[in-house]
Formats: sequence, structure tokens, C-alpha cells
Amino acid sequence: GENVEQHPSTLSVQEGDSAVIKCTYSDSASNYFPWYKQELGKGPQLIIDIRSNVGEKKDQRIAVTLNKTAKHFSLHITETQPEDSAVYFCAARYNQGGKLIFGQGTELSVKP
Amino acid sequence: SAVISQKPSRDICQRGTSLTIQCQVDSQVTMMFWYRQQPGQSLTLIATANQGSEATYESGFVIDKFPISRPNLTFSTLTVSNMSPEDSSIYLCSVVLLAFYNEQFFGPGTRLTVL
Repeated sequence: GENVEQHPSTLSVQEGDSAVIKCTYSDSASNYFPWYKQELGKGPQLIIDIRSNVGEKKDQRIAVTLNKTAKHFSLHITETQPEDSAVYFCAARYNQGGKLIFGQGTELSVKP
Repeated sequence: SAVISQKPSRDICQRGTSLTIQCQVDSQVTMMFWYRQQPGQSLTLIATANQGSEATYESGFVIDKFPISRPNLTFSTLTVSNMSPEDSSIYLCSVVLLAFYNEQFFGPGTRLTVL
């Protein structure tokens, strides 16, 4: 069945450094890859997504890359700030309106 | 994005009782889902809430334990029945919005503790 693996499970960086979180998916038919940020006590917030017809997408300090051949996608956060500290989840979906399969999550800690 | 509200935001319940969680969205919804997030874990899909018909459940979840209703496009309820401490989790409503093609958003969650 569909599976999404996410690494690392925890990541600690200094303020101003970059952070990279990586995910792999199993279903080659997957075509939509969102990333969510979940702060303590809140629901997941969609921060960026990418579709299978695009290799890279950027929104200010956040970027996502997709390698369909290798079935990898990654989240890149540059110039990290303490407010970036949260749990980040990747997900994959293989058809329109279909269910999202989530990775295990990465707890990012940005130290001032 | 839209405003997705859930009630209650949290509750503490006794073993053997049931709790109904409500989800209301202020925009047109194409798909509506219910997820469970156990402490420190990722999100697991419970079921897809179908308007006017029975929900579609994922493997490991059954209607008798998690009955779901969706009487219209923007409202759904999830009931956690005959609760045990293992049901202590965050329950999240999630929607795909008509105005945001293919993007999926989450509500704030309901934090349930079963004693």
C-alpha cells in the first residue's frame, strides 16, 4: 500500500541556519505533495505544496523540491527563526480528492 | 483559506461513555475527512465523510466505534463510542475546499482524554 517515510524525526539548528526535511513515497502515481506545520496545541497548517508536474516551488524562506524518478521530495527552510520551531509533516496523495498519506513528522527546534 | 471550527476543543471523559465532535466550515467543501492523532504521533485517516450517505472507513476503523454523519456540504460529526483510555487522542476534521482546488486544510482539533 501507499507509504511515506520522513527523515529526520528531530532536527535542531541555530537561528539563521537552513533546515532540510526529506520524504520518500512508495506510490509512483502520487501527484500532490503538501507540507504541514503543527505548533503545540494547534491543528496542522498547510505551508506549501507541490504538484507532480513541477520540480520546485518557493515561497519566501520556504521551498519544496520534487524528484519524481527517485520518488523523493524535500522541504527547505532558509534563515530559520525561533518561530519556525514546530513539528513538520509531509504527505502524498495519488488522486484528486483522495486521501493524504502522512510521514511520521519532524520536530524542528531553532535555537536563538 | 476557510474557517474550520470544531466543538468541543477539548474534553475529559469517563470510560464507557461517548463523545460527539462537530466540524463546521464556512466555505464550499468538496471532500471532508476525519483524522486521529495519537500523542506524539502522525495523522491517521479514520474515514471520509460522505454527504447524505455512509462514511467510507479506513482499515482498522469501524462504524460502530466511530459513527460519522454529514447532513450537508459544510457540517459533519464524529462520535467516539464506548470510549477507553486508548481513545485518548486529538481528533481532526479536514477538508478539501472548492475554492482551493486540491488543497487540504485542517481544523484546530479536539483533544480527548479518556479516564
